[in-house]
Amino acid sequence: AQSVTQLDSHVSVSEGTPVLLRCNYSSSYSPSLFWYVQHPNKGLQLLLKYTSAATLVKGINGFEAEFKKSETSFHLTKPSAHMSDAAEYFCVVSVDSGTYKYIFGTGTRLKVLA
Amino acid sequence: GAGVSQTPSNKVTEKGKYVELRCDPISGHTALYWYRQSLGQGPEFLIYFQGTGAADDSGLPNDRFFAVRPEGSVSTLKIQRTERGDSAVYLCASSLTPQFEQYFGPGTRLTVT
Repeated sequence: AQSVTQLDSHVSVSEGTPVLLRCNYSSSYSPSLFWYVQHPNKGLQLLLKYTSAATLVKGINGFEAEFKKSETSFHLTKPSAHMSDAAEYFCVVSVDSGTYKYIFGTGTRLKVLA
Repeated sequence: GAGVSQTPSNKVTEKGKYVELRCDPISGHTALYWYRQSLGQGPEFLIYFQGTGAADDSGLPNDRFFAVRPEGSVSTLKIQRTERGDSAVYLCASSLTPQFEQYFGPGTRLTVT
């Protein structure tokens, strides 16, 4: 069965410093992996996706993630945090079956300090 | 273009009442999903439609929950005899086909008093 583990429930960074949000996955097959962001009282927005093409995936707003099969990881990074990045981030694996339903991690709340 | 819309945005109901939550997917998207997000948790899968049929309802917690998508577009999630534990944000998502990424609506916050 597929699953994802987000290793940190809360991350705090100073504005202008790098962001690292960690995610490990478990999957019997080559997975499809996603990062979504959820701002307060807003819907989930797709940041980026990995679907077995390039292992380094670039997303919106300067975020990127690297798929590492040997480490079963899909960590999200950004070189320089902005105040507007403060939000909840979810790592997601898509079930490799006819439904492609999502399994979400428990989320990481990112706080950006001025 | 228009995204996924959900109505109402907020619903407060009394324990034991019946509620309906509506989802309008992106036009042309054949796959539609319902998820439930409890406070402080990630969303959890409830049910998946491909066209008009419920292809996977394995996430529905019990038989008080039911969903329909009669014309392959709009979907309604129905909850009978609501309980306080049903309080959560109910999210709808659609995708062009199941293999493509899902686009989420803003959710309906259900509060059962």
